[in-house]
Amino acid sequence: GAGVSQSPSNKVTEKGKDVELRCDPISGHTALYWYRQSLGQGLEFLIYFQGNSAPDKSGLPSDRFSAERTGGSVSTLTIQRTQQEDSAVYLCASSLEMGTGGGYTFGSGTRLTVV
Amino acid sequence: SQQGEEDPQALSIQEGENATMNCSYKTSINNLQWYRQNSGRGLVHLILIRSNEREKHSGRLRVTLDTSKKSSSLLITASRAADTASYFCASRGGSEKLVFGKGTKLTVNP
Repeated sequence: GAGVSQSPSNKVTEKGKDVELRCDPISGHTALYWYRQSLGQGLEFLIYFQGNSAPDKSGLPSDRFSAERTGGSVSTLTIQRTQQEDSAVYLCASSLEMGTGGGYTFGSGTRLTVV
Repeated sequence: SQQGEEDPQALSIQEGENATMNCSYKTSINNLQWYRQNSGRGLVHLILIRSNEREKHSGRLRVTLDTSKKSSSLLITASRAADTASYFCASRGGSEKLVFGKGTKLTVNP
C-alpha cells in the first residue's frame, strides 16, 4: 500500500480481555517495528521484525504481549488479559530493510483504552 | 530507558520566529533522526544526520550534530502556525531499533 496501515484506529476493551492490533506495512518493506506511546510521553520500543523473524523482543513489557508477522508482511500485536496500564497508542512503523539506517514510515496508530 | 532527551519540553513562539530544539543522547550512534508528530498519532520523518556529519539542511530545517557532546539541535526557521506539533529526536546505535526521546511540544502562535 501507499503507507503503513493500522487497525483498528481506536479500541476500547474491558480489563482482562484479549486484544489484537494489526499493522500492514508498506509493500516491500522488510523491517517492521512496534512502539507504544503513553499520554504525553515518548515512544517505547516493543519489538521489531526482519521478515518473519523477531531479532529483538526486548521491549515487550510482559509475557501477556506477543507479536507475529506472516508472509513478511502483516503483523499482529496481541495483548492478553489486558490491564489498565496497557492503555496507550500503539504505533507500527516499517522501513525498506535493516542495515540501511534510514528513516521509518509510521502508521497512524491504534489508541487502546482499557476500562 | 529513553536514550534521547529533548530540551525544552515545551516551546511557544510567534509566527515568523525561529524555533530551536535540543536533544542529548547517551551512547555512540550511527545516525540521529528527527520526527514530527501531530495530535499524538503517527510520526513523520523529517531529517537524518549521520555520525560523520556535523550539519544538514532541508528546506526550513537545519540539524546539527556534536558527537563529542552527544547532542543535536533542530532549528526551524521562519516558523508558521502549521509547524505546531511535537518534535522527537531518535538515535540509532549498534542495533536496528531507533530510541526516541520524550519530545518537545512546539506551539507557533499566529
